[in-house]
Amino acid sequence: EAGVAQSPRYKIIEKRQSVAFWCNPISGHATLYWYQQILGQGPKLLIQFQNNGVVDDSQLPKDRFSAERLKGVDSTLKIQPAKLEDSAVYLCASSPLGWNTEAFFGQGTRLTVV
Amino acid sequence: AQKVTQAQTEISVVEKEDVTLDCVYETRDTTYYLFWYKQPPSGELVFLIRRNSFDEQNEISGRYSWNFQKSTSSFNFTITASQVVDSAVYFCALSEAGTGTASKLTFGTGTRLQVTL
Repeated sequence: EAGVAQSPRYKIIEKRQSVAFWCNPISGHATLYWYQQILGQGPKLLIQFQNNGVVDDSQLPKDRFSAERLKGVDSTLKIQPAKLEDSAVYLCASSPLGWNTEAFFGQGTRLTVV
Repeated sequence: AQKVTQAQTEISVVEKEDVTLDCVYETRDTTYYLFWYKQPPSGELVFLIRRNSFDEQNEISGRYSWNFQKSTSSFNFTITASQVVDSAVYFCALSEAGTGTASKLTFGTGTRLQVTL
């Protein structure tokens, strides 16, 4: 079974530029998550989708971050404009529906804002 | 609000030693899940175990074992006879029933385990 795919693996941009990350979840997984992991910290949830609807985006900085999940499958996370403090690893995860499940994570995209 | 505390920032052991990683959690929910994830240098978070709040039975799986104690709000993880390949950052995480899914996780800050020869 293929895992969660993310691209790109690495990205370096200058502050105030825009950037987009892509995620392809495990086939059949209805729930998709984007987490932000700043160096030395645990991942923090940014947004949760169930199929193509947003379940929770309470921790997403909506003035600069946006995310969508097309047709309930792939998802993109965008930052516009980027700030230095956005430097982090952005992890995508997916899980089946239901309470008794666990999330499967991709390898992440490491973003450096200079 | 939920919170997960991993007081150990970094642990170094010599191969074949046993090591225990500590995790203390806070939640107001009576129904919740606790998790351990491993993050090797490649960056991917690897699921190790899930335990629900109604199941305090401790478990052993190969060289891994878990000690869940609701009375002290702890969910500790032990590696027996550690190996170099165990070197990674280990995260404890919590998910509350009120979120509607077991996978909306609150993570601790992680414990970096370094196993040397």
